[in-house]
Amino acid sequence: EVQLVESGGVVVQPGGSLRLSCAASGFTFDDYTMHWVRQVPGKGLEWVSLITWDGDNTYYADSVRGRFTISRDNSKNSLYLQMNSLRTEDTALYYCAKDRGDSSGWLGWLDPWGQGTLVTVSS
Amino acid sequence: DIQMTQSPSSLSASVGDRVTITCRASQSITNYLNWYQQKPGKAPKLLIYAASSLHSGVPSRFSGSGSGTDFTLTISSLQPEDFATYYCHQSYSTPLTFGGGTKVEIK
Repeated sequence: EVQLVESGGVVVQPGGSLRLSCAASGFTFDDYTMHWVRQVPGKGLEWVSLITWDGDNTYYADSVRGRFTISRDNSKNSLYLQMNSLRTEDTALYYCAKDRGDSSGWLGWLDPWGQGTLVTVSS
Repeated sequence: DIQMTQSPSSLSASVGDRVTITCRASQSITNYLNWYQQKPGKAPKLLIYAASSLHSGVPSRFSGSGSGTDFTLTISSLQPEDFATYYCHQSYSTPLTFGGGTKVEIK
């Protein structure tokens, strides 16, 4: 069974930094592109970033580019999101999600998703 | 960036009703359109990918159609477990973007 478990969400002050992790199991992690998606409680979904299977290509939402960095450690079956210069508007539940595409290319079909980790940016 | 506009933002329907949700892209995305279902307190789940392909395990009462800029998600006969929020999502180009969601409530 494919499982994605996010961790690292805490309360942090504006301007602070945080690293989220996503532990993957049940599939060959280094075959797949991975994504981060966030959701303000009670609001809609916002795609944040993706990283290809080999880590060579990364893409970001305009709202986080230059502040967030996505990375992965295929030897540890883990995905990360380094979040710097945090703003109150970054407060959200952060999900990691597996792309259905394999090493031949990403598809953007997100399945499955983890249960999310809550980041709160507040003074 | 490609903007995704869903309508309606909410609807009330009864069990057994046929429900249609529409999604419009700000430019052509060919068939790079996906639909997700999200229940309260749960992560989203993939329903439909590539505009009309049913994800494994999803009941056949769900269907998707459309291409270019206009897309539709249809639930042919609404069941109690279908009350949820539905999101469209374009994967044609980065940044990937979601529609604002459609909350399907019990009438």
